[in-house]
Amino acid sequence: KQEVTQIPAALSVPEGENLVLNCSFTDSAIYNLQWFRQDPGKGLTSLLLIQSSQREQTSGRLNASLDKSSGRSTLYIAASQPGDSATYLCAVDVKTDSWGKFQFGAGTQVVVTP
Amino acid sequence: NAGVTQTPKFRVLKTGQSMTLLCAQDMNHEYMYWYRQDPGMGLRLIHYSVGEGTTAKGEVPDGYNVSRLKKQNFLLGLESAAPSQTSVYFCATGMSSNEQYFGPGTRLTVT
Repeated sequence: KQEVTQIPAALSVPEGENLVLNCSFTDSAIYNLQWFRQDPGKGLTSLLLIQSSQREQTSGRLNASLDKSSGRSTLYIAASQPGDSATYLCAVDVKTDSWGKFQFGAGTQVVVTP
Repeated sequence: NAGVTQTPKFRVLKTGQSMTLLCAQDMNHEYMYWYRQDPGMGLRLIHYSVGEGTTAKGEVPDGYNVSRLKKQNFLLGLESAAPSQTSVYFCATGMSSNEQYFGPGTRLTVT
C-alpha cells in the first residue's frame, strides 16, 4: 500500500525566507503527484501537478520537483509572504482499476511571520 | 458558476441518527469523490464515482453509502452515525482522473 509522508508537520519562517516542503512516498510506480494548499476551514486548492515523466513544474514563486526513483518531491516557495501561511498537502496518483486514486499526505502547516 | 458546493456546512448528530451530505457541481465533471479529513491524517477516500449511475468503494467505505443518480450530484449517506465518523468531509470533482476541484467541506460532529 502506498504511503505518503510529509515532514515536518509544522514550519514557521520569517517573511522573505524561502520555504522548502518535503513529501515522500513508498511506491515509485505513480502516475503523477500534486501539491495542494488548504486554508483554515476551507477546501483544497491545487497548486502544481507533476506528471510521472516530468522532473519539475513551476508556477510563479512555486517550484515542485519530483524524483520517482527515490520516492521524493519537494515544493519550494521563494521569498515567502504572510499570505503563504496555510497547510500544504501532497497527493500521489496511484492509478488502479484504470482510474485515478489519490493518496494524500497529512500536510505541513506553514506560518510566515511578518 | 458556483463550482463545487456542499450542503450542509455544519451538522451535529446523535449516535444512531442518519443524515445525507450533498455535493453539487456545475462544471459537468465526470469524476466525483468523497473524502474525510481527520487531525494529523491526510484525506482518506470514502467512495467515488466515475460517471452518472456509477459508484465504487474507496479506502474507508464502512458505515457510508453513496448515490450518483444525476451527473451533477453526489450524495453521501450515514445510516447510523457513530462518534468515529466525527470528521470534516470534502467532496471533489474532476473532468479527468488527473484533477481534483474541492468543495468547502462539511464539519460533522457525532455525539
